[in-house]
Amino acid sequence: AQKVTQAQTEISVVEKEDVTLDCVYETRDTTYYLFWYKQPPSGELVFLIRRNSFDEQNEISGRYSWNFQKSTSSFNFTITASQVVDSAVYFCALIGLGGSEKLVFGKGTKLTVNP
Amino acid sequence: DADVTQTPRNRITKTGKRIMLECSQTKGHDRMYWYRQDPGLGLRLIYYSFDVKDINKGEISDGYSVSRQAQAKFSLSLESAIPNQTALYFCATSDVRHTETQYFGPGTRLLVL
Repeated sequence: AQKVTQAQTEISVVEKEDVTLDCVYETRDTTYYLFWYKQPPSGELVFLIRRNSFDEQNEISGRYSWNFQKSTSSFNFTITASQVVDSAVYFCALIGLGGSEKLVFGKGTKLTVNP
Repeated sequence: DADVTQTPRNRITKTGKRIMLECSQTKGHDRMYWYRQDPGLGLRLIYYSFDVKDINKGEISDGYSVSRQAQAKFSLSLESAIPNQTALYFCATSDVRHTETQYFGPGTRLLVL
């Protein structure tokens, strides 16, 4: 069975603070992909990043960075110098390619960035 | 224009009514999915279709049915709506060559009174 755990239900920070959103996953598949999606208050789901299980390089995109560690089954997301526009619910998701190939979501972390 | 569209975007209906949510895509993807989102529960898969002749139940298919009218169209029906089907519904698509990445529509907010 596959599972994604986002232990942080809600996080509140002040603008310009750095914040890390945690994601821990479980899968028996050797080939899998991990994702982060952003859901702003308007409701749509915005794709942020995809990572495959064979690529453990960290990635940086502007103020966003992702830390993938297979040894701890984690795929954490850091926002540097947070801004009010970063306020949203963030979802981590996993799809394994060894069987059902269904996308499994965590329950999301609601981030509030206060001015 | 958006690659994945959903109609309606918002809907209010009454208990017992039949309602259809529609999804269309211009991405040329063969795989389509329906999810529902409830507060605190993330997204859960209702139905999915890998091609026009293929329909599969997801984890919460009871009370729902689907129709894949064409490669680009995938409809979700609530046969007899009940209040606990009040949720945000998302359609998604993926390409068989890159099945790992799903692209989501804007969502439909459904309220069942």
